[in-house]
Amino acid sequence: SAVISQKPSRDICQRGTSLTIQCQVDSQVTMMFWYRQQPGQSLTLIATANQGSEATYESGFVIDKFPISRPNLTFSTLTVSNMSPEDSSIYLCSVRRDREYNEQFFGPGTRLTVL
Amino acid sequence: GQQLNQSPQSMFIQEGEDVSMNCTSSSIFNTWLWYKQDPGEGPVLLIALYKAGELTSNGRLTAQFGITRKDSFLNISASIPSDVGIYFCAGQPSGNMLTFGGGTRLMVKP
Repeated sequence: SAVISQKPSRDICQRGTSLTIQCQVDSQVTMMFWYRQQPGQSLTLIATANQGSEATYESGFVIDKFPISRPNLTFSTLTVSNMSPEDSSIYLCSVRRDREYNEQFFGPGTRLTVL
Repeated sequence: GQQLNQSPQSMFIQEGEDVSMNCTSSSIFNTWLWYKQDPGEGPVLLIALYKAGELTSNGRLTAQFGITRKDSFLNISASIPSDVGIYFCAGQPSGNMLTFGGGTRLMVKP
């Protein structure tokens, strides 16, 4: 498995502000992902974080709203920009060791509330 | 994105009962994963399945990869109070992206 930490674990933010969430893995991984989980819902993939290039976003998610960085094989950030109450969710970092090894692990999540 | 059909959506359990849940899809998957999520936590991987027909156990948990590659089930035997939580199935078709089921919420009978 992989040990994944996220910061912050939770935050309460004002409408119109931005929050950057950090994800740190205890070992190098090939693939890193960011998910959103709205209250009482399943997990929705926001984007795949690519090292050295722009993230690959899923339908309905755009870079201006959710900029992502991945400077190396153990770290990534997700920024939620210009927040509104609809952005209140749990944001989860997820990793997979390599493209062929399909087991995927999740961080503890960041619980975001936007007022 | 596409969601798997996971059922039941919720169920009550009494300690000692066996529990069963399943996921179905219209698409063929190469991998099935089962996760459990406790309140305030991220999902924890319980079982991974890689081959049609494969039956894999992890303690009191048993999961099977359907022979058609379009379904999977998870059984929990002799449930205990700490089994309470939300269980998610996830399937991976060709390519990298996991598709998640809607979840099964396990609760304790009052």
